Amino acid sequence: EVKLVESGGGLVQPGRSLKLSCAASGFSFNDYWMGWVRQAPGKGLEWIGEINQDSSTINYTPSLKDKFTISRDNAQNTLYLQMSKLGSEDTAIYYCASLNYYSYYFDYWGQGVMVTVSS
Amino acid sequence: DIRMTQSPASLSASLGETVNIECLASEDIYSDLAWYQQKPGKSPQLLIYNANSLQNGVPSRFSGSGSGTQYSLKINSLQSEDVATYFCQQYNNYPYTFGAGTKLELK
Repeated sequence: EVKLVESGGGLVQPGRSLKLSCAASGFSFNDYWMGWVRQAPGKGLEWIGEINQDSSTINYTPSLKDKFTISRDNAQNTLYLQMSKLGSEDTAIYYCASLNYYSYYFDYWGQGVMVTVSS
Repeated sequence: DIRMTQSPASLSASLGETVNIECLASEDIYSDLAWYQQKPGKSPQLLIYNANSLQNGVPSRFSGSGSGTQYSLKINSLQSEDVATYFCQQYNNYPYTFGAGTKLELK
């Protein structure tokens, strides 16, 4: 069974940084592209970005490219999202998700982790 | 960025009814479109990919259609467990973008 479990969320002050993790199990993690999506409270979904199997290709939504960094550790079956210069607009649930082997839609999602940016 | 316009924003329907949700892309996305269902307090789940392919395990009352810039999700014989918000997503062009969602409630 595919399982994606995010961690590392919580309350963080404006301007600070935070690193989220996503532990993957139940599939061959190093064979799949992975990605991050966020959802502000009561709002829709926002695609953050994706990373390929060997980290040689990473794509971001342009508005977040200078603030967020996606990485992965295939030995640990873990995906990361490093977030910097956080503002209130970054308050959201953050989901990690696996991309389909043959395409770029998300076929499995984690349960999400809440990040609240507030002083 | 490709803009995905979903309609309606909310929808109220009765059990057993047929429901249609539309998604209009601001440019041709060549059927690179997925539909997700998000139940309250849960993460999104994939329903449809490549505009009209049903994800394994998804009930056959869900179907997708469309091409070019116009796509739709159809739910036949609405069930109580279908109460959710539905999102479309294009994955043809970066950055991949989602529609704003359609909240489906029971009448």
